[in-house]
Amino acid sequence: AQKITQTQPGMFVQEKEAVTLDCTYDTSDQSYGLFWYKQPSSGEMIFLIYQGSYDEQNATEGRYSLNFQKARKSANLVISASQLGDSAMYFCAMRSVPSYDKVIFGPGTSLSVIP
Amino acid sequence: DAGVTQSPTHLIKTRGQQVTLRCSPKSGHDTVSWYQQALGQGPQFIFQYYEEEERQRGNFPDRFSGHQYPNYSSELNVNALLLGDSALYLCASSTQGSSLSYEQYFGPGTRLTVT
Repeated sequence: AQKITQTQPGMFVQEKEAVTLDCTYDTSDQSYGLFWYKQPSSGEMIFLIYQGSYDEQNATEGRYSLNFQKARKSANLVISASQLGDSAMYFCAMRSVPSYDKVIFGPGTSLSVIP
Repeated sequence: DAGVTQSPTHLIKTRGQQVTLRCSPKSGHDTVSWYQQALGQGPQFIFQYYEEEERQRGNFPDRFSGHQYPNYSSELNVNALLLGDSALYLCASSTQGSSLSYEQYFGPGTRLTVT
C-alpha cells in the first residue's frame, strides 16, 4: 500500500531564512510522481512543485526546490528566503502508475513564518 | 478565466440526512476528482469522474456517490450522514491525465458540519 509520511506537525522559520519540510513515501511502484501543495487558511490547495521518479535532477520552481533521494524514499521541500505569506499547511502527495488518477496525500506540516 | 468553483461554501446537516455538494471545473477541464479532508489531516481521495462515469474510487462506502454532467460539472452526494463525515470536501479538476505529472486544480472546498 502506498503511504506518505510527514513527521513534522509544525515548523517555525524566521522571515528570509530557508526551511526544509520533510516527506518520506512508501510504494512498490517503480514509476511515480511526487507533489507538494500549499494550503492557506482559505482552504484551496495550491500546487508548488513536481518530481518524477525517473527525473535525474531535483525539481526547482522559484523559491521552492525538492530534495529527492530515491534510495531513501524521501522528497523534502526546501523553501528559500521565507516570506510571511508562506505561512500555511504544506502537503506532500504521490501518484503512481497505473492508478495515476488517485493522489495520496500526507498528513501535512504547518509552517509559521516569524517576522 | 474562472478557476474551480464549489457550492455551497459551508453547510450544516443533521446526522442521517443527505447532502449534495457541487463543483464546476476550470474552463477546458473535463475531469473532476473529489477529496475529503478531515480537520488536521491530509485530503483523502473519494473518486474521479470522466466522461460522466466514475473512473476510480478510494476507500469510501457506497453512501458516497457522484455524478458528472455533460458540461463536466459534478456533484458529490452523501447519504445517511454520520458525525464522522464532517470535513472539508475539495473538488479538483484537470484534463484527463496520461502522465504522472498532470496537474489538478483545486477549488476552495465546502465545509460540511454534521450535528
